[in-house]
Amino acid sequence: AQTVTQSQPEMSVQEAETVTLSCTYDTSESDYYLFWYKQPPSRQMILVIRQEAYKQQNATENRFSVNFQKAAKSFSLKISDSQLGDAAMYFCAYGGNQFYFGTGTSLTVIP
Amino acid sequence: NAGVTQTPKFRVLKTGQSMTLLCAQDMNHEYMYWYRQDPGMGLRLIHYSVGEGTTAKGEVPDGYNVSRLKKQNFLLGLESAAPSQTSVYFCASSSGLAGVKRETQYFGPGTRLLVL
Repeated sequence: AQTVTQSQPEMSVQEAETVTLSCTYDTSESDYYLFWYKQPPSRQMILVIRQEAYKQQNATENRFSVNFQKAAKSFSLKISDSQLGDAAMYFCAYGGNQFYFGTGTSLTVIP
Repeated sequence: NAGVTQTPKFRVLKTGQSMTLLCAQDMNHEYMYWYRQDPGMGLRLIHYSVGEGTTAKGEVPDGYNVSRLKKQNFLLGLESAAPSQTSVYFCASSSGLAGVKRETQYFGPGTRLLVL
């Protein structure tokens, strides 16, 4: 069965600094997608970034980028120039034959 | 464009009571999903629908029923609420089947349910 593991329940970063959130997954599938979702205090789930497993190039969206290591089954999210509005819960998610979420990492941004 | 909306935002139930959560989307999406979110457990799929009139079980379907009578609406029912169903419930929709077709899901704002 596929599983998604986020080993950092909480992280903090100084405003304007860079932070990396970790995610590992386990799968026997060869074709799948990986996602990072952001959940601010409003509870709305917002897609941050998406990575296709067949693409070697790491996805980027403005200040957000991923480090996708397919062999290691690792999918970390890097947030550059952190802003106060980045404070939220971040969920890593796996999309293959089924869809699974990790347990989340709570990010605090310190002014 | 409202996206995905959920009704109600918050509800308190007594054990044994029934209720229905309503999810509506205006994006003409074929696929809709109900998740529950519990502390330390991320989101878990309850039921999903691949089109009007069809539903399927997810990871944690027990104690819930769903219906998709109209394409834009997906209802989640609790026939006899239990304290273990205290949770935050999220609805989502996508143009393709998330997972199998790797489509991005769009989420509603959530419904907080407390069962006493």
